[in-house]
Amino acid sequence: GQQVQQSPASLVLQEGENAELQCNFSSTATQLQWFYQSPGGSLVSLLSNPSGTKHTGRLTSTTVTKERRSSLHISSSQTTDSGTYLCAIDPAGGYKVVFGSGTRLLVSP
Amino acid sequence: EAAVTQSPRNKVTVTGGNVTLSCRQTNSHNYMYWYRQDTGHGLRLIHYSYGAGNLQIGDVPDGYKATRTTQEDFFLLLELASPSQTSLYFCASSPDSSQNTLYFGAGTRLSVL
Repeated sequence: GQQVQQSPASLVLQEGENAELQCNFSSTATQLQWFYQSPGGSLVSLLSNPSGTKHTGRLTSTTVTKERRSSLHISSSQTTDSGTYLCAIDPAGGYKVVFGSGTRLLVSP
Repeated sequence: EAAVTQSPRNKVTVTGGNVTLSCRQTNSHNYMYWYRQDTGHGLRLIHYSYGAGNLQIGDVPDGYKATRTTQEDFFLLLELASPSQTSLYFCASSPDSSQNTLYFGAGTRLSVL
């Protein structure tokens, strides 16, 4: 079956430091999304990036499809970035999005 | 912005109880999903639907039924709730496009005692 593995499982930063989150997946993906889950539990989509590099605000995602990996770079982290970051893929030919277990980020002041 | 509304937000029931979780989306999306989220497992797909009257089995369907009554409404039914179904449940929808971006509801926290 499809698997999505994220690393690290948790990350603690000082405000202003950069974060690098990794996502590796075991099957071909036609779509890859990064989600943010707040400490309160709500989930929002950050960006979709099935291949190449994409920027939005302080976020940069780079996906290398043939190597089945994606990264999410958060620059100049802020305390409000604290939460869990989830990577999800949409395996080729299906609509069943598969999620990783997430990276829990804590940014301290 | 897509709107997905779940109710109730919190629910406590007893083992063997009957629970219905509701989800409504108001953006004419064809696809709707029910996930559960548990520590160490991330989000796991329970059931999903392509449209009104359609139902597809997800990855962890045991103990759950679902029904898509309209394009807007998707229900998750636990007819004999068990403590193992204590979890955070999310509903999501996505448009009928190749991007397949998911829009999530706020979640329902269910406790089965």
